[in-house]
Amino acid sequence: GNSVTQMEGPVTLSEEAFLTINCTYTATGYPSLFWYVQYPGEGLQLLLKATKADDKGSNKGFEATYRKETTSFHLEKGSVQVSDSAVYFCALREETSGSRLTFGEGTQLTVNP
Amino acid sequence: ETGVTQTPRHLVMGMTNKKSLKCEQHLGHNAMYWYKQSAKKPLELMFVYSLEERVENNSVPSRFSPECPNSSHLFLHLHTLQPEDSALYLCASSQLPGQNYEQYFGPGTRLTVT
Repeated sequence: GNSVTQMEGPVTLSEEAFLTINCTYTATGYPSLFWYVQYPGEGLQLLLKATKADDKGSNKGFEATYRKETTSFHLEKGSVQVSDSAVYFCALREETSGSRLTFGEGTQLTVNP
Repeated sequence: ETGVTQTPRHLVMGMTNKKSLKCEQHLGHNAMYWYKQSAKKPLELMFVYSLEERVENNSVPSRFSPECPNSSHLFLHLHTLQPEDSALYLCASSQLPGQNYEQYFGPGTRLTVT
């Protein structure tokens, strides 16, 4: 079956530090990959996505590249801000599963001023 | 109201109570979902409705009973819950399952079972 494994948190960084949150996946086909973000007290919001190998998704300074050879989709940001403090979820969707998403456990990020 | 709304935002209930969670989407979508979010666990998909018909039920205990009276509203009826059912319950909506469309999430209902 499909699964998503995320780097364990919590992650604590100082403002302007470099961020990496690792995500690897297991899938039987050719999934689309997603990062969702959940700010305190809110639901999940789509942050970025990539639908095929070597695609790079980007949004709000965050980037992730779909690496089929390593089955990975690591999230990166060059300079984090306090406002980036949130929980980040990696997810995949198989071609044959419609809009059904498989999520990782989530990684809590705290950015200190 | 815009997007996906959920009420109540917080709920505390005893194990013998009956309560309902409500979700409403204002996006013109025709598929709706219930997820359970527990600490340190991946989101668990509970139910999927497409055009008001249940298309997926992931072995959820019968103490959770969904209802989708129309494409804009989704309910989760709760009865005789257990303390381990305490979690954040998230509703989402999208265009029809089977299409490559993004899911939009509500803010969730924080449920505590005492």
